[in-house]
Amino acid sequence: DADVTQTPRNRITKTGKRIMLECSQTKGHDRMYWYRQDPGLGLRLIYYSFDVKDINKGEISDGYSVSRQAQAKFSLSLESAIPNQTALYFCATSDLPGRAGVRDTQYFGPGTRLTVL
Amino acid sequence: AQTVTQSQPEMSVQEAETVTLSCTYDTSESDYYLFWYKQPPSRQMILVIRQEAYKQQNATENRFSVNFQKAAKSFSLKISDSQLGDAAMYFCAYRSGGTSYGKLTFGQGTILTVHP
Repeated sequence: DADVTQTPRNRITKTGKRIMLECSQTKGHDRMYWYRQDPGLGLRLIYYSFDVKDINKGEISDGYSVSRQAQAKFSLSLESAIPNQTALYFCATSDLPGRAGVRDTQYFGPGTRLTVL
Repeated sequence: AQTVTQSQPEMSVQEAETVTLSCTYDTSESDYYLFWYKQPPSRQMILVIRQEAYKQQNATENRFSVNFQKAAKSFSLKISDSQLGDAAMYFCAYRSGGTSYGKLTFGQGTILTVHP
């Protein structure tokens, strides 16, 4: 089974709808991230969480909110979807720095392709 | 804020040949890490190689190597003996070594085509 899973994998919705993208991980990592990918722009950070009680805005947080329900779960919500939120969304995790054996790698989920009509 | 720039939107290479993908970055930090990620059509993000800024030696992973020029803030990826499976989008990424540990800043990406 994949270490980082995202649901749904693909979603088409309409302008104004509320959408939730879910991310779960079995790696036991404390740190989780949400990125969006747009052609020509690469991946940009939306929100990140360094533990269950620590949530921070990233580069492009407007129009998004997140919830860290548990160490293993980090959800991204679009309260009222708009067409320019059409993108590929990635969840990622990483371990704590300084921990023995930490490979210092960010592990990505398979992505969710969201289309807002 | 840090920025990462990949000035080559697309590159192509013949199978078995060598190709170099360019990346430049801007930062005022001295402690940081640089990465190259590969994204094949499956859209999975795969770490290719990483470089710590404090290390002068260029990182190497099998057919992949980097040319890290810290003073010039340049971090290019060389792929030797290119294979069809190397065809993908490649992203250069930067990560601070400080308290914001973990967050990645990505470049725009370079699409690599490998011709048989």
